[in-house]
Amino acid sequence: ETGVTQSPTHLIKTRGQQVTLRCSSQSGHNTVSWYQQALGQGPQFIFQYYREEENGRGNFPPRFSGLQFPNYSSELNVNALELDDSALYLCASSPSGQGTEAFFGQGTRLTVV
Amino acid sequence: AQSVTQPDIHITVSEGASLELRCNYSYGATPYLFWYVQSPGQGLQLLLKYFSGDTLVQGIKGFEAEFKRSQSSFNLRKPSVHWSDAAEYFCAVMNSGYSTLTFGKGTMLLVSP
Repeated sequence: ETGVTQSPTHLIKTRGQQVTLRCSSQSGHNTVSWYQQALGQGPQFIFQYYREEENGRGNFPPRFSGLQFPNYSSELNVNALELDDSALYLCASSPSGQGTEAFFGQGTRLTVV
Repeated sequence: AQSVTQPDIHITVSEGASLELRCNYSYGATPYLFWYVQSPGQGLQLLLKYFSGDTLVQGIKGFEAEFKRSQSSFNLRKPSVHWSDAAEYFCAVMNSGYSTLTFGKGTMLLVSP
């Protein structure tokens, strides 16, 4: 059984640029959630996708957007990058159903300069 | 809205000593509660979870946690800490509507020889 994988592991972008982060969900999981973890903080919920539709969103601006594909993999896109977007971005997949456990990937470390 | 408070930012414990990490939550209904561990630069690994039933739950790596509804607490314990337990620990409550997680800010565990 393959776990949750994220790519790339690290990247550096310039303020104002756009970035795409990718996540492959665990086999059999149709729900993907994205979290932002700033340095010294706990992860904060960005949004969740279920069967290719956005299924909930945290307190993040519209320049944070996402996609989920038919194979349940997912992308997180961030436009007009700001310095404060520097963080570890975590993807978590889970099977559908209330109260199911989320499995996290290793994360993508984004640095905006 | 739900919230999680981890009152201790850092804790230092001697190797072989017992450990207790505190977690308090705010949630209107019966909570689903989790403890995750994060090693530097890594993703989150689930230690244990509470959904219902027995209020004392056992997890991996010798950890346990006790749910106390009257105190809105879900403290993590380990009877004898090993140097490899040094990491950051996050308590989280699940939003039953979307199966997403609200995290505390984390407690950094340092283990002294």
